[in-house]
Amino acid sequence: TQLLEQSPQFLSIQEGENLTVYCNSSSVFSSLQWYRQEPGEGPVLLVTVVTGGEVKKLKRLTFQFGDARKDSSLHITAAQPGDTGLYLCAGGAGTALIFGKGTTLSVSS
Amino acid sequence: GAGVSQSPSNKVTEKGKDVELRCDPISGHTALYWYRQSLGQGLEFLIYFQGNSAPDKSGLPSDRFSAERTGGSVSTLTIQRTQQEDSAVYLCASSLVPGSNQPQHFGDGTRLSIL
Repeated sequence: TQLLEQSPQFLSIQEGENLTVYCNSSSVFSSLQWYRQEPGEGPVLLVTVVTGGEVKKLKRLTFQFGDARKDSSLHITAAQPGDTGLYLCAGGAGTALIFGKGTTLSVSS
Repeated sequence: GAGVSQSPSNKVTEKGKDVELRCDPISGHTALYWYRQSLGQGLEFLIYFQGNSAPDKSGLPSDRFSAERTGGSVSTLTIQRTQQEDSAVYLCASSLVPGSNQPQHFGDGTRLSIL
């Protein structure tokens, strides 16, 4: 069974701080997606990475896919209150996605 | 519509009753997915449709759960003889074509509460 472990589970920081969220597995995935979910809403896709070692940047967010395609990280620079939410990683397995349990981020001003 | 629409947004029912949850995917999206999200848990895959066929229903937790899709569009997830452990948010997603590297567009879910 393929599993994705996310850490930390909860993160509470002040505006302006940097943070990194990790997504790890013992399995190889064909792709890795990151989603952000706000209360009462469905997840919204942030990025898809497909190549080992790939790095993608989305404004203040930097996503990296591990060389072996077993892990990924999300780094946020100078966090803002608007970054608050649940961050989910999801690994590609055939046609389905395997989701981690998520990291709940709270950024206070 | 512009996005994935799910109804009802909230459903409260008594244990033992049957419930139907509806999903309207983005027009033209051939792939449709159902997930379940329990408190403190990630999204648990339930079933995947390609057109009206369900090539992967491996995530359905018991035979009380079933789903269908008609006209390559609307899908209904049915839970029979509901149990308290069925309480969760049920999320539907669609993608233009199948494939785990394809972006999935999610609805806002149906929050199901079993009393």
